[in-house]
Amino acid sequence: SQKIEQNSEALNIQEGKTATLTCNYTNYSPAYLQWYRQDPGRGPVFLLLIRENEKEKRKERLKVTFDTTLKQSLFHITASQPADSATYLCALAPNSGYSTLTFGKGTMLLVSP
Amino acid sequence: DADVTQTPRNRITKTGKRIMLECSQTKGHDRMYWYRQDPGLGLRLIYYSFDVKDINKGEISDGYSVSRQAQAKFSLSLESAIPNQTALYFCATSDHRRANSYEQFFGPGTRLTVL
Repeated sequence: SQKIEQNSEALNIQEGKTATLTCNYTNYSPAYLQWYRQDPGRGPVFLLLIRENEKEKRKERLKVTFDTTLKQSLFHITASQPADSATYLCALAPNSGYSTLTFGKGTMLLVSP
Repeated sequence: DADVTQTPRNRITKTGKRIMLECSQTKGHDRMYWYRQDPGLGLRLIYYSFDVKDINKGEISDGYSVSRQAQAKFSLSLESAIPNQTALYFCATSDHRRANSYEQFFGPGTRLTVL
């Protein structure tokens, strides 16, 4: 069966460090992968999209990698700040016409001052 | 004004009642979605609509129905609410008519409690 796995345990890091979150998937051939940020009680907000033929994407302090051989995406936040504390969701679109997204359960990031 | 709005924001109802959750968007997007989010289960797709005449079931459509009244409006109904439909419900939109534009834009959510 298809699975998207994100670490269910919260990631605790100190301000200024780099946070790295993992998204692993099985039995998918995604056309692209997206990362979203979700604050408690609020809707997810889109951060980055990376396509199957891209290895890396950057946006300001954010970097996403996509390894279709390992079936894994890594999401990095450099120089992390307490304001980065949130839950981060990865989402895949199957390789079938860019239809719907399937979301992982998310990983909570806590950045301490 | 918010681009994607949901009403009501909070609702408490009783088992067996019919409930409608409404979603409106001013983004002009063609696609609209309804998700529910439960602790430990993440976001799950209930229904989606690629345009006004196209409605599709998602992963967990049983017990729900939808109506796409116009491009900007997409309603979710619970015909006879049950307690395990207690969840946070999100509406989302996306625009697939523009190249390279696949992100989804979410509303603020409706917290539904079924007693």
